[in-house]
Amino acid sequence: ETGVTQTPRHLVMGMTNKKSLKCEQHLGHNAMYWYKQSAKKPLELMFVYSLEERVENNSVPSRFSPECPNSSHLFLHLHTLQPEDSALYLCASSQDRVGPTNEKLFFGSGTQLSVL
Amino acid sequence: AQTVTQSQPEMSVQEAETVTLSCTYDTSESDYYLFWYKQPPSRQMILVIRQEAYKQQNATENRFSVNFQKAAKSFSLKISDSQLGDAAMYFCAYRSQETSGSRLTFGEGTQLTVNP
Repeated sequence: ETGVTQTPRHLVMGMTNKKSLKCEQHLGHNAMYWYKQSAKKPLELMFVYSLEERVENNSVPSRFSPECPNSSHLFLHLHTLQPEDSALYLCASSQDRVGPTNEKLFFGSGTQLSVL
Repeated sequence: AQTVTQSQPEMSVQEAETVTLSCTYDTSESDYYLFWYKQPPSRQMILVIRQEAYKQQNATENRFSVNFQKAAKSFSLKISDSQLGDAAMYFCAYRSQETSGSRLTFGEGTQLTVNP
């Protein structure tokens, strides 16, 4: 299934650069997520936005700064990154509801980030 | 905190044969949700199958089925009549019923190769 678009697909940046990752969902969902996927490690949840409010930040370093201007768009601003931040960054969306739910996540194709 | 373990980093299967991918998890909760996601070379994660812990019947989706053993905290994925398009990274994931929304805890993944 499609509906979550991420740009750019690839990004190479130096440690002193500032860049932004963009995610857009066309599914009418009310929650968006940033996940980090490193080789041979489980996906790590970085940020959650539900109804445009950030509700969770899993102790992510401040060099990663999320922004969610509306329910359809999500950004991840990057500055002074380290080589160990090189990874695939995945955006996802879902329709959050009050209480437990088995709603699934819809993912984008990710941005492969390399920090030199 | 919940953890998800996939003990098989890589698996291979002959086309048209059956393969089973293993997943175990650790939780103190009695109600929760379990998922299998597939990540093909396109990198976009796609939901394969999901299971509610309160349901005793194993979920099935066409050629995909699960063996859910709640007491053993095991959630394996069986792929029948394997096809070349099944080649991908497969992730097992857990969602607590105590948190709203779609925050998932993922395993490390199993890379499945399908041989012609």
